[in-house]
Amino acid sequence: GQQLNQSPQSMFIQEGEDVSMNCTSSSIFNTWLWYKQDPGEGPVLLIALYKAGELTSNGRLTAQFGITRKDSFLNISASIPSDVGIYFCAGRSGSARQLTFGSGTQLTVLP
Amino acid sequence: GAVVSQHPSWVICKSGTSVKIECRSLDFQATTMFWYRQFPKQSLMLMATSNEGSKATYEQGVEKDKFLINHASLTLSTLTVTSAHPEDSSFYICSASPGQDNEQFFGPGTRLTVL
Repeated sequence: GQQLNQSPQSMFIQEGEDVSMNCTSSSIFNTWLWYKQDPGEGPVLLIALYKAGELTSNGRLTAQFGITRKDSFLNISASIPSDVGIYFCAGRSGSARQLTFGSGTQLTVLP
Repeated sequence: GAVVSQHPSWVICKSGTSVKIECRSLDFQATTMFWYRQFPKQSLMLMATSNEGSKATYEQGVEKDKFLINHASLTLSTLTVTSAHPEDSSFYICSASPGQDNEQFFGPGTRLTVL
């Protein structure tokens, strides 16, 4: 089946620093999504990408849909304590509605 | 808008009992809902796709007789874990989509602990 490799697995950064994480796939996706999950909660959609090469921002978050359609990255600028959580990429291929999730990136922001 | 709720938020049960988890779309209708399972420090794994008025589609390796899914209305899907065992202890999350071209909105999850 499809697999998404997400890296890094965890990050410890200082407040105010920028963060970057990415996902790569063994197959082509036509949709890339980035979610944030707080402990004991469901994932919350941050950014959705639908076209190869698309670059989309949501406040301090920026994500891009790779040209090859097999990768995506998420950047967080000027991190703040509430950015702490697990970030997941997710992809969808073809006409399927099901999502494949990456393994997640645990982000810790140090004061 | 696009709020999804789950009930209960947590449940503890004895081994061998059955547990029902509800997933509701509060402000939209969802012809399709999805059920995921997430073990500690792991990603979300899709268990099944629930279609209103028809049988659910289960992912490979998920026992349909153990995880019963009912999607009786456009705003409610239920997951029943039958004869639960400790290895079924997990975080169960549902999601719903307002339509074919819309993304999934996730519920807050249900923590199941089987003793």
